[in-house]
Amino acid sequence: SQKIEQNSEALNIQEGKTATLTCNYTNYSPAYLQWYRQDPGRGPVFLLLIRENEKEKRKERLKVTFDTTLKQSLFHITASQPADSATYLCALVKIGGGSQGNLIFGKGTKLSVKP
Amino acid sequence: SQTIHQWPATLVQPVGSPLSLECTVEGTSNPNLYWYRQAAGRGLQLLFYSVGIGQISSEVPQNLSASRPQDRQFILSSKKLLLSDSGFYLCAWSVRPNTEAFFGQGTRLTVV
Repeated sequence: SQKIEQNSEALNIQEGKTATLTCNYTNYSPAYLQWYRQDPGRGPVFLLLIRENEKEKRKERLKVTFDTTLKQSLFHITASQPADSATYLCALVKIGGGSQGNLIFGKGTKLSVKP
Repeated sequence: SQTIHQWPATLVQPVGSPLSLECTVEGTSNPNLYWYRQAAGRGLQLLFYSVGIGQISSEVPQNLSASRPQDRQFILSSKKLLLSDSGFYLCAWSVRPNTEAFFGQGTRLTVV
């Protein structure tokens, strides 16, 4: 079956350090992978989308890599700040089996940045 | 600009009572619409999606149903709530399945 795994439920880092979150998937051949941020009691907010032919994408302090051979995406936050504390979700478009292009999410990694 | 409205924000309902959650989108036409549920400590589970008026697909069998009576209106319903229906319900829309999704603020449902 298709799976999306974010292998850290929680990640604690010190302010100013780089946070690296991992998303692994199995039995997918995604053309796109997305990352979202979710604050407690709120809906997820879109951050970045990376295509299979893009190795890396950046947006301000955020960087996403996409390795289709390893079936893995890494999400980096450089110079992390306490305001970056949130749960980060990766998402893939599920194709086939009756689902035509629906966005399926991992369980997320809760990032805590300590001052 | 596009906005998505979801209400109510919180809801406490007794077991066996009906449910109706509403979601509307403004500023776009023919959006793909989605209902997700997020149980405590778990990820987002896709419940229903819709690519057009009256077109509803269900991802998992459950005690819930969905309807899309208008292009930008998506409703989640139940005739009789179960305790297991408790959770955080999120409506979302996207232009296409592989583009970013925009979420509402969610409804926290507690079935007692």
